[in-house]
Amino acid sequence: RKEVEQDPGPFNVPEGATVAFNCTYSNSASQSFFWYRQDCRKEPKLLMSVYSSGNEDGRFTAQLNRASQYISLLIRDSKLSDSATYLCVVAGDSSYKLIFGSGTRLLVRP
Amino acid sequence: DTGVSQDPRHKITKRGQNVTFRCDPISEHNRLYWYRQTLGQGPEFLTYFQNEAQLEKSRLLSDRFSAERPKGSFSTLEIQRTEQGDSAMYLCASSLRGSGYEQYFGPGTRLTVT
Repeated sequence: RKEVEQDPGPFNVPEGATVAFNCTYSNSASQSFFWYRQDCRKEPKLLMSVYSSGNEDGRFTAQLNRASQYISLLIRDSKLSDSATYLCVVAGDSSYKLIFGSGTRLLVRP
Repeated sequence: DTGVSQDPRHKITKRGQNVTFRCDPISEHNRLYWYRQTLGQGPEFLTYFQNEAQLEKSRLLSDRFSAERPKGSFSTLEIQRTEQGDSAMYLCASSLRGSGYEQYFGPGTRLTVT
């Protein structure tokens, strides 16, 4: 079983739609959680950290459920420029390494 | 731009050859990480340094792989006797001690072994 699991998609949505991605992780000792965005053939870029209380950054909302070991990302009012792969990331079990999911691909169509 | 830089950006080599990649982290960052990413997968951790000390190595880092950070600034990743399975994007990231787990990635070196 992978340490971080994501639905690979692709999610194909029209502009303006709301889309949600989910992720589960297996190590209950994980301490930090992130969503990274990766454009085709580019490096991953930090989108946002994820906190137990939930956090919002503009059109993006991330939530963490430690009991269920579940992380989510909600994107409202999708833009064409949101088309990318979204990587769920966990860290912090006695190490500074990041553990990535395989990513969920989002395609936003006009 | 004072982000993480990597060199070369692309490398094509024949099986059996040795290759070396360089990473220059963000200047004040004392932690440096190497990851490998293959098509359709997320990055996988290889190794990390705090200053010049290599503190952790993944089981993915076989005997053919070696990484150094001799002066605690730039780092090199060498692959000896390359195999076709080594073809991947090699990503370097850096972070600042005390800033939690947030890491900033360089543009990567894409290795193709023919």
